[in-house]
Amino acid sequence: AQTIHQWPVAEIKAVGSPLSLGCTIKGKSSPNLYWYWQATGGTLQQLFYSITVGQVESVVQLNLSASRPKDDQFILSTEKLLLSHSGFYLCAWRDRGHGVFFGKGTRLTVV
Amino acid sequence: GDSVTQTEGQVALSEEDFLTIHCNYSASGYPALFWYVQYPGEGPQFLFRASRDKEKGSSRGFEATYDKGTTSFHLRKASVQESDSAVYYCALGDPGNYAQGLTFGLGTRVSVFP
Repeated sequence: AQTIHQWPVAEIKAVGSPLSLGCTIKGKSSPNLYWYWQATGGTLQQLFYSITVGQVESVVQLNLSASRPKDDQFILSTEKLLLSHSGFYLCAWRDRGHGVFFGKGTRLTVV
Repeated sequence: GDSVTQTEGQVALSEEDFLTIHCNYSASGYPALFWYVQYPGEGPQFLFRASRDKEKGSSRGFEATYDKGTTSFHLRKASVQESDSAVYYCALGDPGNYAQGLTFGLGTRVSVFP
C-alpha cells in the first residue's frame, strides 16, 4: 500500500524567514506529485505538480518554489515568508484509475 | 477554465436526516468527478469518483450520480450520523491530462447534531 509522509507536522515561522516543507511517498513508483495549499476555512488550491524527477510545473504563483530531488520526494520552499503564506499545506499523489490522495498536511503559521 | 460550484456553504442537520449537497461543474471536456471529505486537522480523504454519464459512485453510505445533461454530481446520504460532521468537497479532473491535479469546489461544512 502507498503511504505519504509530510514533515514537519506544524511550523511557526517569522515573516521574512525561509521555509522548507517535505513530502515522501512510498509504495508507488514514479508517482505524479502535487502541492496544495488551503487557507483556514478555505478550499484546496493546487500550487505545483511534478510528473518526474527534476521537473516541476507551477500552477499558482505564491512566491513559493518546489523541487523534486528524488522519485519519491517533493519539497516546497521559499526564501522569505509572507503573512499570506499561513495555512495548511498538503502533498498528494494521483492514482490514474482513482483520484488524488493526500498526506496529513503541514500547518504553517507565519507571525 | 474548469470549475466546480457547491451551492451550500454550510449545512446543519440532526442525526438520521437526509443529506444533499449540490455540486455543478463547468468543463470544456468530459471530466471525471470526485467527492472528498475532510475532518478537522486532516488531509482530505477520497470518497469516490465517477467518469461517465449516469455512472454512480458510492462509499460509506454516500452516493452521487454523474449527470452530464445537468452538469451535476450531487452528494446524498439517506441517514447521517454525528460522525459525518466534516467538510465535503466536490472536485473534477481531466482524464485526458493525467499530469494535472484536481480542481476543487469551495467545500460544504456539514454539522450533524445528536
